[in-house]
Amino acid sequence: EIVLTQSLGTLSLSPGERATLSCRASQSITSTYLAWYQKKPGQAPRLLIHGASRRATGIPDRFSGSASGTDFTLTISRLEPEDFAVYYCQQYGSSAWTFGQGTKVEIK
Amino acid sequence: QVQLVQSGAEVKKPGASVKLSCKSSGYTFTSAYIHWVRQAPGQGLEWVGIINPSGGSTNYAQKFQGRVTMTSDTSTSTVYMELSSLGSEDTAVYYCARGLFFGDYWGQGTLVTVSS
Repeated sequence: EIVLTQSLGTLSLSPGERATLSCRASQSITSTYLAWYQKKPGQAPRLLIHGASRRATGIPDRFSGSASGTDFTLTISRLEPEDFAVYYCQQYGSSAWTFGQGTKVEIK
Repeated sequence: QVQLVQSGAEVKKPGASVKLSCKSSGYTFTSAYIHWVRQAPGQGLEWVGIINPSGGSTNYAQKFQGRVTMTSDTSTSTVYMELSSLGSEDTAVYYCARGLFFGDYWGQGTLVTVSS
């Protein structure tokens, strides 16, 4: 089973700053199968990025994703107040999903 | 517009079963897989399983094998998830999500509380 590790539990930043979130897979995965979600309390997860770097419909271009080997990155170029939330990476394999533990982006 | 509408909150006693529903609209029901994901209080997202509404094939997380059953009703465009032998650790918000590789549309979530 592939394990996704989001090493940063919490990221404390100010509005306007750049956020860089990482997600490392325990073994090689196809970039097509890597997605990122934003999760706020009381709301369903919101798809941000799929295929490691493709923004979902309606997602602002301040959100971007990239991949390098087994390392995946979600970047928020300039944090807006509504971006403070928990972010999860997710991968698909063998008809199943696995999620990273999540990274909380909090206001500094 | 695509919508997944889930059934309402449930309160169950330990050892009981719960059956949740997820009704799809705005797209061809049999054209997309449905996943179930849960989030326990203060915890992360946990995958429960997947169903292909076209044919009803399923795959469940090993953790839930033997306790979970997912079914689909094409006549009502509804997917169901039944979880049995509930324990306090099953207290969580359960979400359904459309898609195979990723979830592009999600239900609003159903809170299941297991308490004696």
